[in-house]
Order: sequence, then structure tokens, then C-alpha cells
Amino acid sequence: KAGVTQTPRYLIKTRGQQVTLSCSPISGHRSVSWYQQTPGQGLQFLFEYFSETQRNKGNFPGRFSGRQFSNSRSEMNVSTLELGDSALYLCASSLGQGPYTEAFFGQGTRLTVV
Amino acid sequence: QQQVKQSPQSLIVQKGGISIINCAYENTAFDYFPWYQQFPGKGPALLIAIRPDVSEKKEGRFTISFNKSAKQFSLHIMDSQPGDSATYFCAARNPGTYKYIFGTGTRLKVLA
Repeated sequence: KAGVTQTPRYLIKTRGQQVTLSCSPISGHRSVSWYQQTPGQGLQFLFEYFSETQRNKGNFPGRFSGRQFSNSRSEMNVSTLELGDSALYLCASSLGQGPYTEAFFGQGTRLTVV
Repeated sequence: QQQVKQSPQSLIVQKGGISIINCAYENTAFDYFPWYQQFPGKGPALLIAIRPDVSEKKEGRFTISFNKSAKQFSLHIMDSQPGDSATYFCAARNPGTYKYIFGTGTRLKVLA
């Protein structure tokens, strides 16, 4: 069974640009969550999508948005990039319903804003 | 109510020793408690998980101890090895929102 796939693995963008990150969940998983990880900051929750609907949202500005497609693949978009957006962006997939469902992470996309 | 408090922030253990990482939570509705291991530049990998109706779960050198009344759970790494050097995150799942709440992480270094 293939794991969670995130593309691209690395990105370098200029301040003010926008960026789109992609996440393909494990087959059969309908939930995709996105996290931002910066050194010493742990995992900051961005949002979660389940069956194409945003089900949970973290405390990030509106520049951060996402969507989920009918095949459960998800994209995350960051507009008007700032230097502070440099981070490892992780997505996690899970079944999204039922008890004791585990979440599995991708390798992440390392975004550097210069 | 939604927080999971993890300690210590960092931990140094000698090879062969026992590493212990603790987490505490407030929301008694949380229904699943996984631990993740993360190496630099990689995504967190699910290590071991426990349900609240179980007091202990062991997988190889890794054991979760769960104390429901104290609302605490801990990860024990027996016979710690240099290859265990990584950052460990505890988490708790809210069954109402299906959202995972993560601890702040513990950076473990095992000395050879």
C-alpha cells in the first residue's frame, strides 16, 4: 500500500509570490490534514479536509487555503508569501471517521521563502 | 482543554538506558493516543498507539503506559540506541472533530 505522497519535496520562492503544495493520501483515506512545522515550534495545525469539505481549521491567516478533490487528493495554497512562511509543510491522511483511526504523515514539502 | 502537554523538551540518555517521555491532557473525550517519531528532514512516522481502555501497550522496545484517572500517558524506550535519536511527538484524538492534538515534541539524543 502506497504511503502519503507530498509534492514537491523542496521549493524556493520569493517573498510576495504564491505557492501550491500537493498531497496524495493513502488509498481509501478520506481525510487530509495539513501542518506547518518550524524549528522549535512543533506541529501547527492548518486545516483538515474530509470528503472535499473543510472540517477543521487552525489559526492561520487567510493567505493559507486549501481544497480537496473528489479522489481525496488535497492541495494547499499560500498567497503573498512572507519570509516567516519558510517551514516544513506536512500533510497527514486518515480514514477520517470511526474510532481509533490513525493518521499517517507524508515526507513533507520544505518551503524556503527568500 | 484541547492541549496536550509534553515533557521534557529534550532528553539525553546513554546507550542501553531507558528513555521516558510524558504527556498530559485535559479533555476526557480524547479517544486515541498515538506517538510519532520524526527524524530530521522527514515526516513524523507512527510509532505506537493506545486506546484509553488499555493501560499498557508494548511493541518491541517501545511501551506506552496510560493512566486514565491521571489523564497522563508516557512512552518508554527500553535499551535506547543511538538510532532512536529523534524527535518524539505524542498526540490525542478528539472523536467529536476527528482532529489530532499534538504535544510540542521531545528531542531525544542517545549517546553511544
